[in-house]
Amino acid sequence: DTEVTQTPKHLVMGMTNKKSLKCEQHMGHRAMYWYKQKAKKPPELMFVYSYEKLSINESVPSRFSPECPNSSLLNLHLHALQPEDSALYLCASSQTGTSGTDTQYFGPGTRLTVL
Amino acid sequence: GEDVEQSLFLSVREGDSSVINCTYTDSSSTYLYWYKQEPGAGLQLLTYIFSNMDMKQDQRLTVLLNKKDKHLSLRIADTQTGDSAIYFCAVDSSASKIIFGSGTRLSIRP
Repeated sequence: DTEVTQTPKHLVMGMTNKKSLKCEQHMGHRAMYWYKQKAKKPPELMFVYSYEKLSINESVPSRFSPECPNSSLLNLHLHALQPEDSALYLCASSQTGTSGTDTQYFGPGTRLTVL
Repeated sequence: GEDVEQSLFLSVREGDSSVINCTYTDSSSTYLYWYKQEPGAGLQLLTYIFSNMDMKQDQRLTVLLNKKDKHLSLRIADTQTGDSAIYFCAVDSSASKIIFGSGTRLSIRP
């Protein structure tokens, strides 16, 4: 089973709303990732958790707040977003996250629209 | 930093072979990946090749690696309409990071 699941599939929110994106994997992977993908562009790395600890934060604005409650779950809490934050948010997981040779498996993404 | 480049578009006739090319700059990359993204979907790992290999074949997919020229290619034999998608080349970089190319949009002509 190489499945990473994400909910919701679509999300529309206002700039004053607070919402959360969820990601789950049951492959026993210890690393989980959040990426942001704008239309016709490659994914851009936002955060990496390795063994439930935040190991990489790519200078992401504080209106995005990641959380890793356990090794299978990854959340992205959203607050006071801007319309330019509208994008496809992709979650991925890999074995350990301690090596660039770790193969990453992606979820289907959450399509976020900020009004 | 690491740079990965791909051509943006490729159009092939159904039943022909598709060849998608990628060049990269970091000679220390160990794993090189091909991901497929269909419209509105996430990224699907198609295949990957270890840097000490020249070629890897998996059913209709053939990956060729020229490490000297830092050139990677993905060949899809007998291209079908279901192969229409964006194909991303990616290479491993520093710990936990992979660097993506800009993606090649493959379209299939009848």
